[in-house]
Amino acid sequence: EPEVTQTPSHQVTQMGQEVILRCVPISNHLYFYWYRQILGQKVEFLVSFYNNEISEKSEIFDDQFSVERPDGSNFTLKIRSTKLEDSAMYFCASGTDLSGANVLTFGAGSRLTVL
Amino acid sequence: ELKVEQNPLFLSMQEGKNYTIYCNYSTTSDRLYWYRQDPGKSLESLFVLLSNGAVKQEGRLMASLDTKARLSTLHITAAVHDLSATYFCAVDNNNDMRFGAGTRLTVKP
Repeated sequence: EPEVTQTPSHQVTQMGQEVILRCVPISNHLYFYWYRQILGQKVEFLVSFYNNEISEKSEIFDDQFSVERPDGSNFTLKIRSTKLEDSAMYFCASGTDLSGANVLTFGAGSRLTVL
Repeated sequence: ELKVEQNPLFLSMQEGKNYTIYCNYSTTSDRLYWYRQDPGKSLESLFVLLSNGAVKQEGRLMASLDTKARLSTLHITAAVHDLSATYFCAVDNNNDMRFGAGTRLTVKP
């Protein structure tokens, strides 16, 4: 069964450092998302991406965040200067709006720990 | 901004009992999804509801959608321990997918 792959599974970084989280969505999917989940809490929307551009972003997704789909397969989330409160699990998801439904497939997540 | 509210946030129930989780949302959407998350795991799709009055059932779980009331329910029948997980509803607003806060369900023997 096709899956969404995320790397790294866990990254520990110092505050102020740049972090890049990588995702390989399902190949025929058109919609790509990043969500984050602070331990045991809700799934917070960060950004959606369609047709090679951001379609929606939340208030969390400030200038410190950026996304790219550089080569048609990878979908990356960059945090330019990490803060302690960026520590969370980051989930990538992809979907395709066929048959009127956009069921998302989630990756296993990348746990980011900022020290 | 689209808001999605779930209640209850925490639910502890005995095996064999019934209960309903509610999901209210703020926009006129007719596409709603339910996901399950086990501790330390990712989210898995449970149900897709695409129209007013839609009802889907899988085992002991049944989901329904009332687009006029902007309400979806997830009904648990005769709960078993294996259903212990966090359940999220998600509302699709032109492929902008927003999630509720989740309902952490614990089923006790």
